Amino acid sequence: GENVEQHPSTLSVQEGDSAVIKCTYSDSASNYFPWYKQELGKRPQLIIDIRSNVGEKKDQRIAVTLNKTAKHFSLHITETQPEDSAVYFCAATRYNQGGKLIFGQGTELSVKP
Amino acid sequence: GAVVSQHPSWVICKSGTSVKIECRSLDFQATTMFWYRQFPKQSLMLMATSNEGSKATYEQGVEKDKFLINHASLTLSTLTVTSAHPEDSSFYICSARDFVAGGWLGQRMGTDTQYFGPGTRLTVL
Repeated sequence: GENVEQHPSTLSVQEGDSAVIKCTYSDSASNYFPWYKQELGKRPQLIIDIRSNVGEKKDQRIAVTLNKTAKHFSLHITETQPEDSAVYFCAATRYNQGGKLIFGQGTELSVKP
Repeated sequence: GAVVSQHPSWVICKSGTSVKIECRSLDFQATTMFWYRQFPKQSLMLMATSNEGSKATYEQGVEKDKFLINHASLTLSTLTVTSAHPEDSSFYICSARDFVAGGWLGQRMGTDTQYFGPGTRLTVL
């Protein structure tokens, strides 16, 4: 089955710097890769996702890149702000195959003012 | 995005009692809902997949007789923790699958997105 590895487990950056979180997956048939942000005690919120037919997707300060050959995808946050501090989870799944998400272990991002 | 509600948001119960948690998709129909358990500073651990009108599919190691799941309608799934014990104390989160059939890589793309409920903090004394 699918396995998703996420690194780093913790990341501390200064406000205004960029943050990068990386994930690798094992199932080459996975074709949908969402990223979730979870603040302490709250629900995971979908922040961006990417399908396997594109290599990059941007939404304001957030971008995701996908390398299908290497089976890895990354989350890039530019101009970080203190409110970006949270735990970020990557996930992988196959479209129309039941919807079961396989999550990475999570990255705790701390943005210091 | 779509909205998923979960009730209660927190519950404290005595050991041996049962607790029911409800998960509702408020503005879309969800044929599939998922139940997760999350320990502090850890990832989401999938417990079971709940399909409307059929039996839930449990992940390995999850006791189906202890965690009863019912998905009676396209907008409601319930998780009942039976005979709860202190080790069942945890943060339980549901998610609802918003699935729209279509192509995946071409035109008229379908969607297959999970939206999460706010979670239920269960404390068993």
